[in-house]
Order: sequence, then structure tokens, then C-alpha cells
Amino acid sequence: DAGVIQSPRHEVTEMGQEVTLRCKPISGHNSLFWYRQTMMRGLELLIYFNNNVPIDDSGMPEDRFSAKMPNASFSTLKIQPSEPRDSAVYFCASSPPGVGTDTQYFGPGTRLTVL
Amino acid sequence: SQQGEEDPQALSIQEGENATMNCSYKTSINNLQWYRQNSGRGLVHLILIRSNEREKHSGRLRVTLDTSKKSSSLLITASRAADTASYFCATDRTGNQFYFGTGTSLTVIP
Repeated sequence: DAGVIQSPRHEVTEMGQEVTLRCKPISGHNSLFWYRQTMMRGLELLIYFNNNVPIDDSGMPEDRFSAKMPNASFSTLKIQPSEPRDSAVYFCASSPPGVGTDTQYFGPGTRLTVL
Repeated sequence: SQQGEEDPQALSIQEGENATMNCSYKTSINNLQWYRQNSGRGLVHLILIRSNEREKHSGRLRVTLDTSKKSSSLLITASRAADTASYFCATDRTGNQFYFGTGTSLTVIP
């Protein structure tokens, strides 16, 4: 398996622009997580999907952030409009179904820079 | 915050030495995991220890868990330069979500 795939790997944009980050989870996994990592705040959970349904979006910083999972093999995280403080590395992770299968598998991340 | 906190924040050792990092957390858990992150990469799962376990081994890794003290430790024996990375503990919250700690940055000097 190719693992969790994220695109783009790097994104540089200007303040006010819309940014869309993409994630393809591992086939057969039914949970998907979006995280943001910064030096100041560490790794923060933004939103969690189970069976394509958003379960907990309490970590989404504000209305400028939105996430969708239209099917089991694809998810997007959108920031509109983007701001310099959104600069961070955004990770997507997935985990398989079943009790006791708590391991999360992380993608390589998207490094976002908002100028 | 229920986030785990690793200690120390940074650790530098010579190759061949053992590296120990600690994690403290605040609420009761079902399990605790340790992850490694190489520079510029995503996190990779290392080991999971359940709340009814006290110690677990995986290769050169040894993890202990003391639920009475709400703490865990990760020991890497006979460290190698390739072990240079950041190490995070993760404690479970609701469902299969996890709180990740702030990480320990380990540098192994060849």
C-alpha cells in the first residue's frame, strides 16, 4: 500500500487566497484525521471523520476552515481566506476499523506558507 | 489541556548510549502510544501500551507505564544516529482520537 497520500507537499500562497489541501487515506481505513503542527502549539487535531462523517470538529480554529470527506478515499481541508498565522504543516492520518486498532498512519504532510 | 507533555524537550547523546524520555498526562487513559517523527516527515507509530500493562518491549525500545503517576517512559537502548528524530506520546481521548504531546527532540551524535 502507498500509505496516506497528501497533496500538495508544499504550498505558498498570499494572504486572502483560498487554499485546498488533499488527502487520500489508506484503503480500508474508516477513520481520518486532520492535524496542524506548529512550533508554538505542537500537533493539534483539527477534525476527525469516521465512515466519512465528521465526528469532532472542535479543533477547527474558525469558520475560515472547512473539511469534507465525500467518499472513503478522499478528503479535503480548505482555508478561505488564508492568513499568515495559518502557516504550518498540515497532516492527514487514517486508522483502520475495529476494536484495539488504535494506531494512526500519517501522511507526509503539506507545508503551507501564507505570505 | 489533556495533552501529554514530554520531558526533556531536547536530548543529545552519543551513539551507543541509551536515551530515556518521559511523558506525563492528566486524565485516565485506555492506552498510550509513542510515535517518532523524522525531520520533514509524518509521524510513525512505534509502540502502544494499554492501561493494564506496565512494560512493553519492541526491539531496542522499552516502554513503561505508571497509571498511578500518570506517566510513561520510552527507553531507546544502544542508540544510533538514525534514531535522531522527535518523539511524541499520544494519549487516547474519545473514540479513537488522541492527544499528542509536545515532543522530545533527540539527537544522536555519531
